[in-house]
Amino acid sequence: IAGITQAPTSQILAAGRRMTLRCTQDMRHNAMYWYRQDLGLGLRLIHYSNTAGTTGKGEVPDGYSVSRANTDDFPLTLASAVPSQTSVYFCASRAGTGATDTQYFGPGTRLTVL
Amino acid sequence: GQNIDQPTEMTATEGAIVQINCTYQTSGFNGLFWYQQHAGEAPTFLSYNVLDGLEEKGRFSSFLSRSKGYSYLLLKELQMKDSASYLCAHMDSNYQLIWGAGTKLIIKP
Repeated sequence: IAGITQAPTSQILAAGRRMTLRCTQDMRHNAMYWYRQDLGLGLRLIHYSNTAGTTGKGEVPDGYSVSRANTDDFPLTLASAVPSQTSVYFCASRAGTGATDTQYFGPGTRLTVL
Repeated sequence: GQNIDQPTEMTATEGAIVQINCTYQTSGFNGLFWYQQHAGEAPTFLSYNVLDGLEEKGRFSSFLSRSKGYSYLLLKELQMKDSASYLCAHMDSNYQLIWGAGTKLIIKP
């Protein structure tokens, strides 16, 4: 069982370029999340999806968009990358949206925008 | 508003016990989580508390006091592999996790 996979593992991107970070889970989890993790700030929620076909904005959604066409995939797109989007991006999922549903994380994508 | 605080860094000795504290403020509460994150890796789930008291799981225990907005993670018989960051998070009224910045735990021989 792979769990959650993310691609690419790392990427260096020129400012202004468009970039899509991929996330796929094979656990048939309903809820999926995108976080960014920056030193000293902890994990911050970018966007989330409680179930296929629905998405919502998190704490820091500006400059990012997501889609949830099916249960397994939850891509994150940077329409026009800026240096402040340099970060480590984690995708996560959990079976449901209840309090006891544990959140599982993918291995992360390290993105550098120059 | 919502806020969650934990120490930035702690140092402990192999074989000893360490307690990592976490305080939070929230208008809605659905549980307190602890995750472990080794450098360069993804966070992994350690514990979940929703009721007051101590939950023990092997060498790791987690405590919650809802009235005080306080939790701690207790690690016993420390091993070098316990060197990692420990992330505290509370689940808000929308069932979203609000994360602390993490506590980097350094274990010395």
